[in-house]
Amino acid sequence: KNEVEQSPQNLTAQEGEFITINCSYSVGISALHWLQQHPGGGIVSLFMLSSGKKKHGRLIATINIQEKHSSLHITASHPRDSAVYICAPNTDKLIFGTGTRLQVFP
Amino acid sequence: ETGVTQSPTHLIKTRGQQVTLRCSSQSGHNTVSWYQQALGQGPQFIFQYYREEENGRGNFPPRFSGLQFPNYSSELNVNALELDDSALYLCASSFGGAVYEQYFGPGTRLTVT
Repeated sequence: KNEVEQSPQNLTAQEGEFITINCSYSVGISALHWLQQHPGGGIVSLFMLSSGKKKHGRLIATINIQEKHSSLHITASHPRDSAVYICAPNTDKLIFGTGTRLQVFP
Repeated sequence: ETGVTQSPTHLIKTRGQQVTLRCSSQSGHNTVSWYQQALGQGPQFIFQYYREEENGRGNFPPRFSGLQFPNYSSELNVNALELDDSALYLCASSFGGAVYEQYFGPGTRLTVT
């Protein structure tokens, strides 16, 4: 069993829809990162959180340390949100999920 | 733009050769981590350097080695290249370890033929 599981693996949405990506992990962590990777490889850090909830624009990330679960929400999705979203719990190093490929159509 | 740069952007090497990839960290960052991302997979941690010392290593053989310089730029060296080394190599800098926000470079795509 992988240490980090993301769901869904692929997600298609219409512009304006509310998106949720889930991440479950099996290891003890001190923090969890949500990352965005566009075609071509560049990775951008969206959030780093160790408890509760963080919001940045249309993006919201939540984490429940006891349940070892985190979610990334995108409100009012837009085609420019199309990317791979990666959950990366931090032990003494980052452990990456395989990502969720999101495509948002106009 | 994260301020982290990597060179070269793309590289083609032959099996058995050696390669050096470079990473320039964001100003003020003293920690750099290197990751290997095979096609369709999530990144895998190779190793981390903190103030010029290796500070953690993933499940990679010794032919993967690194250096961090006093200006906190970094190199990843891979000897005796194998076909399976073909991947995107990413570096990320931070002020401290993985508990701090990571700033990723654009990556170097290595193809081994």
